Amino acid sequence: KNEVEQSPQNLTAQEGEFITINCSYSVGISALHWLQQHPGGGIVSLFMLSSGKKKHGRLIATINIQEKHSSLHITASHPRDSAVYICAVQANTDKLIFGTGTRLQVFP
Amino acid sequence: DAGVTQSPTHLIKTRGQQVTLRCSPKSGHDTVSWYQQALGQGPQFIFQYYEEEERQRGNFPDRFSGHQFPNYSSELNVNALLLGDSALYLCASSPVFGTRISGANVLTFGAGSRLTVL
Repeated sequence: KNEVEQSPQNLTAQEGEFITINCSYSVGISALHWLQQHPGGGIVSLFMLSSGKKKHGRLIATINIQEKHSSLHITASHPRDSAVYICAVQANTDKLIFGTGTRLQVFP
Repeated sequence: DAGVTQSPTHLIKTRGQQVTLRCSPKSGHDTVSWYQQALGQGPQFIFQYYEEEERQRGNFPDRFSGHQFPNYSSELNVNALLLGDSALYLCASSPVFGTRISGANVLTFGAGSRLTVL
């Protein structure tokens, strides 16, 4: 079993829909990262969380340390949000353990 | 302010050859981590360098080695290439222990080097 599990693996949505991507982990962590990867490889860091909730524009990330679970929400989705979203946990040794990603496609 | 730069962006090698990939960290960052991302998979941690030393290592064979220079730039070397080494190799930089700073989003990734082994 992977130490970091994401769901769903693939997600399609119509423009304007509210989107949720989930991440569960089984190891002790010091922080959790949500990353966005566009075709071609470049990864952008969206959030780093150690507790609670963060918001940036239409993106919201939450984490529940007790339940070892985090969610990434996208409000009013847009085709430019189409990308792979990756959850990565920062183990107490500082290295990152990645989930396999959620491929999101938003259609106009 | 330049972010993380990696070179080359693409390269093709044959089995048994050796490859060197390069990474320049973001200005102000002194810790460099390398990741391997196979097609359709999440990245896997290879190793991390700080103060010119390998500080942590993932589950990769000794064919994978690295180096960090006094200017904090880093190289990833892979010897005796196998077909399975074909992947996107990502470099990420951060300030030392900076990724532990609550509320700070300091992890920066390069665009990657795509290696194809034939």
